[in-house]
Amino acid sequence: DADVTQTPRNRITKTGKRIMLECSQTKGHDRMYWYRQDPGLGLRLIYYSFDVKDINKGEISDGYSVSRQAQAKFSLSLESAIPNQTALYFCATSDFGAGVSGEQFFGPGTRLTVL
Amino acid sequence: GNSVTQMEGPVTLSEEAFLTINCTYTATGYPSLFWYVQYPGEGLQLLLKATKADDKGSNKGFEATYRKETTSFHLEKGSVQVSDSAVYFCALTALNTNAGKSTFGDGTTLTVKP
Repeated sequence: DADVTQTPRNRITKTGKRIMLECSQTKGHDRMYWYRQDPGLGLRLIYYSFDVKDINKGEISDGYSVSRQAQAKFSLSLESAIPNQTALYFCATSDFGAGVSGEQFFGPGTRLTVL
Repeated sequence: GNSVTQMEGPVTLSEEAFLTINCTYTATGYPSLFWYVQYPGEGLQLLLKATKADDKGSNKGFEATYRKETTSFHLEKGSVQVSDSAVYFCALTALNTNAGKSTFGDGTTLTVKP
C-alpha cells in the first residue's frame, strides 16, 4: 500500500464551488505539506504543518485553507474555486530530527480543473 | 534564503546518449541535496540523495556528486533509455534553516527518443 495517499485523484469543479482535497499518510511523520504544480513553474508551497497544532502559510496560501485532523491526515480546501486554481496538487511528508536527511515523500497528486 | 537553480529544459536525447542536468544551489549551513523524478501521471519520488560534501548519490544508473566548493549537484547518466523520460527536480533541505523545509528547482523535462 502507498505510504502517502491523496483523494480524489481527479476532480472537475465549477467556479465558486467549495472543494476539499484529502491526504493521508502511514509514514508516521509529523511534517506534512501541500504543493501546487503548474507547467513551467515547478512546485510551489501552499501550506505546511509541523505537527497537529502547528499550521503555517507557504508562498501561495491566498484562496486556500488547511486542516490537520490528526498526525496522519492533512486536508486542503478551496473555499471558492476559481479557474486559475486549476493545477496538479501534491501532498508530501517528511521526518525531522538528528540523522534525518530531510527527504520528502510525495502522494500521487490530485489533478484539479476549475471551469 | 535558500535557492536551487537547475538547467532549463526541455531536454531531448536519443537513446543511449549521455545525460547531464546541471543544478546549483545557495544555502546557509550544510544542506542535504536531492534529485527527485516525476514520471508521467505520477508524484515525485526520490531518485538519489547526498547528505554531505563529496558524497556521491547513485540509483538506476544515475549519479550526482555533492560539490560544496562549486555549490553544485549535477545529475548524470551514461546511457539514457526511453523509460528515463520524466521531469527531474533538484532540491535541498537545510535542516537548520528555512524551518527545515525543502527548496525545489523548477524541474527539467527529459524526453528520450528511440
